[in-house]
Parts: sequence; C-alpha cells; structure tokens
Amino acid sequence: GENVEQHPSTLSVQEGDSAVIKCTYSDSASNYFPWYKQELGKGPQLIIDIRSNVGEKKDQRIAVTLNKTAKHFSLHITETQPEDSAVYFCALRRIDSWGKLQFGAGTQVVVTP
Amino acid sequence: SAVISQKPSRDICQRGTSLTIQCQVDSQVTMMFWYRQQPGQSLTLIATANQGSEATYESGFVIDKFPISRPNLTFSTLTVSNMSPEDSSIYLCSVSGTENQPQHFGDGTRLSIL
Repeated sequence: GENVEQHPSTLSVQEGDSAVIKCTYSDSASNYFPWYKQELGKGPQLIIDIRSNVGEKKDQRIAVTLNKTAKHFSLHITETQPEDSAVYFCALRRIDSWGKLQFGAGTQVVVTP
Repeated sequence: SAVISQKPSRDICQRGTSLTIQCQVDSQVTMMFWYRQQPGQSLTLIATANQGSEATYESGFVIDKFPISRPNLTFSTLTVSNMSPEDSSIYLCSVSGTENQPQHFGDGTRLSIL
C-alpha cells in the first residue's frame, strides 16, 4: 500500500509560536490529503484538507500546503495555543481507492504556556 | 458533518469472548469504515462495510475474526471474536457521504482484554 511518512513524531512549541508538520508520499495517484487532530479519549477530527488541484488552503490559524512535484504536504499552525496540544495525523487517498485513507504515524504536539 | 455514535465507548473483556461494537450515523452515508488504533499508534483500516453485501477486508484482517454487518445506510456493527490481549485497541468507525467526500470519525470504542 501507499507509504506516508510523517515528521516529526513529537513537536514541542511555545505558545504563540508556529508549528509545522510534514508528510511525504510516493504514489502519484494520491489526490486527496486530509489532516486530523486527535485529542485524548476522542476520535480523530478533520481539521483541514486539500485536493491535488490546489497548492494551498487556509482556515484561520491552520493552513495546508501541497507540493505535488516533490510529493509532500505540510500542516502549518500559527499563533499556537495550549488547546492545540494533541496528536495530528496526515492521511491521503488514492484516486481509485473507493474512499480508503492511508494514515501517517502521527505527531504529538505539545504547546507550552 | 454527520453525527457518529459508537457503543460501547469502552469495555473490559475476558479472553476468548466476543464483543460487538455498534456505529450509528444521524444521516444516510454511502461509505462506512472500521479502523483499529493500537495503543500509541496510528490508524489501520480493518474493512469497508458495504450495505447489503459482505464487507471488504484489508490485508491481515479476516471475516472470521472481525465479522461486520451493514443492514442499512446509517448503521454498522463490528464484532471482535475470540479476543486475546493483542486485540486491546481503540476501534473506530468512520463515514463519508461518498467515496470522494471527507471522512469523519466517531469517538471510538476502547477495548481491553484481560
């Protein structure tokens, strides 16, 4: 199956600073790239997604960038707050996968006040 | 997005027993999936629950161990059969309106086997 490599595995940032998480993939047939946030005791929550015909998408303090040529996509969180502390997962979907997602290993983000 | 309810939210079971997990959605959806998340790990797809036909299982998962039902477009069950401690995980249901729409997750069932 498709491999999705996610880095870093842990990320500690000071409140107010920015956080960036990067995922790389190898399959050119991937066309949809969502990001999920999972808080303790909860299921993953979709926070932003991007399709392969778009290079960047922004929603308030969260943005996702996609470089199809280099086959990587990144999550950017600006002005981090303690409530941004969670595990973040990247994922992707192939064009012919009938909706199935492949997930990265996850990044534990800790925002310290 | 759809409201997804999973029951039970958690359980502690004896080895050798079976547990059925329910997933209820507040609107009709085409796609329903079941994932496993082992402690501290990422999500692994178990199967796609198909309405009116047998589920489609991923490599490493078999129907005898994880039988799935999907009687309609709003409900599915996953059974974890003949449980062993290695089955201790979070089991998550996810849904999407179609195969091209975003996928949303329930809060999962936290299962511990003694």
